[in-house]
Amino acid sequence: NAGVTQTPKFQVLKTGQSMTLQCAQDMNHEYMSWYRQDPGMGLRLIHYSVGAGITDQGEVPNGYNVSRSTTEDFPLRLLSAAPSQTSVYFCASSYLGGTMNTEAFFGQGTRLTVV
Amino acid sequence: AQKVTQAQTEISVVEKEDVTLDCVYETRDTTYYLFWYKQPPSGELVFLIRRNSFDEQNEISGRYSWNFQKSTSSFNFTITASQVVDSAVYFCALSEANNDMRFGAGTRLTVKP
Repeated sequence: NAGVTQTPKFQVLKTGQSMTLQCAQDMNHEYMSWYRQDPGMGLRLIHYSVGAGITDQGEVPNGYNVSRSTTEDFPLRLLSAAPSQTSVYFCASSYLGGTMNTEAFFGQGTRLTVV
Repeated sequence: AQKVTQAQTEISVVEKEDVTLDCVYETRDTTYYLFWYKQPPSGELVFLIRRNSFDEQNEISGRYSWNFQKSTSSFNFTITASQVVDSAVYFCALSEANNDMRFGAGTRLTVKP
């Protein structure tokens, strides 16, 4: 079982560059989300999606775009990278099961440095 | 919006000591879900437990136990007879009906031999 796969694992960008963090899951989960983890701040929700074609903003959406064209994939785009976006990024997926919120399955994380 | 507070930033114990990690949450929903995740030094997030708001029964899993008290909006996590392998950052999280999971800032536990 692959679960949630994130690529790349490490990335260094120059300020102003753009890039896409890839996330794919093979569990047929409806719900997918992106978090960033910064020291002392836990994980903060960037964007989320409840199904193909539907996305919404989380706590810290500025500077990031997402799309959900298929159930499996949920890429995160940085249009113009800034040093403040240096962080560890996690993608997660979960079953959208009515009254039973299931656990979120997380990818291995992407460590992004913007210089 | 929901909020999770983990007031303990870092805890250090000696092996075999018991340790409790505190978690206090805020939500306006009557239906919600509470989680604990472990993040070992390798960086991945490991699911430990899920509890829904209608089930206040405490849970024990080996050396781990969880105390859910709606009256104090707390969901505390106790490790009995701690081991060096328990050293990690532990996150408490809250999810309301819309599935958005919000995390606390985490507690870094160091267990010394």
